Amino acid sequence: GAGVSQSPSNKVTEKGKDVELRCDPISGHTALYWYRQSLGQGLEFLIYFQGNSAPDKSGLPSDRFSAERTGGSVSTLTIQRTQQEDSAVYLCASSLARRQTYGYTFGSGTRLTVV
Amino acid sequence: DQQVKQNSPSLSVQEGRISILNCDYTNSMFDYFLWYKKYPAEGPTFLISISSIKDKNEDGRFTVFLNKSAKHLSLHIVPSQPGDSAVYFCAASAGYNDMRFGAGTRLTVKP
Repeated sequence: GAGVSQSPSNKVTEKGKDVELRCDPISGHTALYWYRQSLGQGLEFLIYFQGNSAPDKSGLPSDRFSAERTGGSVSTLTIQRTQQEDSAVYLCASSLARRQTYGYTFGSGTRLTVV
Repeated sequence: DQQVKQNSPSLSVQEGRISILNCDYTNSMFDYFLWYKKYPAEGPTFLISISSIKDKNEDGRFTVFLNKSAKHLSLHIVPSQPGDSAVYFCAASAGYNDMRFGAGTRLTVKP
């Protein structure tokens, strides 16, 4: 597609439930990133995929968070046993491998609310 | 570990005046710096960047200045327009590693 697509755009879930967030990167972009923005906070790095290499998971806040990228394209971020502090906007971005001249292209995000 | 810091959460300027947004970083390995602009309910969009081999990059009304010795960069918008009202994020990366972002500064340009 023309841009990075994320779904759903909004998700309200009950505490303790699992959620899956989806990201469709720009076709041909081999690098994919997940960030989140909590209320009043900056963008927090979560995880980075580059081609077929092992992902950089150093930003995942706990083992309740996991992500996968199938076929080098679509990625899903899974949060198990959601907590209220997981409420945030989850942003996905993609870029051409080894080319950051114009930065990343971000999706519009998924606003997650845990009640 | 906040490697990129934007200490001003908000800034308000009059239309036509200069807006100066500031950013400090701690990681001396950062060699590429970017500014993103974010409107509500949208993802951040790339605005302007600068490599560590330069100290200034200009693109129309937007200029980014880099002071490596002070580990400081700034974004100047001249003249400011109401449509510039948004949250501005500073970001930095080291080599081909992922980007680290600041907390953002909300700019309001008053007509």
